[in-house]
Amino acid sequence: TQLLEQSPQFLSIQEGENLTVYCNSSSVFSSLQWYRQEPGEGPVLLVTVVTGGEVKKLKRLTFQFGDARKDSSLHITAAQPGDTGLYLCAGAWHFGNEKLTFGTGTRLTIIP
Amino acid sequence: SQTIHQWPATLVQPVGSPLSLECTVEGTSNPNLYWYRQAAGRGLQLLFYSVGIGQISSEVPQNLSASRPQDRQFILSSKKLLLSDSGFYLCAWSVGKFQPQHFGDGTRLSIL
Repeated sequence: TQLLEQSPQFLSIQEGENLTVYCNSSSVFSSLQWYRQEPGEGPVLLVTVVTGGEVKKLKRLTFQFGDARKDSSLHITAAQPGDTGLYLCAGAWHFGNEKLTFGTGTRLTIIP
Repeated sequence: SQTIHQWPATLVQPVGSPLSLECTVEGTSNPNLYWYRQAAGRGLQLLFYSVGIGQISSEVPQNLSASRPQDRQFILSSKKLLLSDSGFYLCAWSVGKFQPQHFGDGTRLSIL
């Protein structure tokens, strides 16, 4: 069974600070996605990474896929209260298989 | 544009009662369909997925079953609910390779 561990589990920081959350596995991903979820709603996709070493930016969010495609990180610059939410990574291990395994999640709270 | 509808939004059921949660997708053909359960503030556990009408893959042994009677309809059922079936149930769809999963707004199920 492939597992995706996210760290930290909880993170609470002041508005304007920077932060990084991590997603790690012992297995190689074919692709990895990051989602953000608000309370009472379904997750919404932020980004998909496919190539080892790939870096994608979405405004103040920077996503990096590890060279070996076993890990990923999400860095937020100058966090804002609107960044508050549950961040989930999700990995696919087999090309052509659309089943995703979701990580354990990081609950982020930005304090105004 | 594609939309996904999931209902009901909340449901309170007694132990031992049956369950039927419905999910429908509009605006796309032959989607992959998924049912997940989410513990409070945590990651998503894949329960079932389907790549076509009548094709159901079960990911974990449990008290639940799924059916796909039409291309864009996915139903989660139980004959007798257990207390442990409480949770937040999410339906999702996707198409193609490396494509994101699009989630419904979920059903909060409470078993009394």
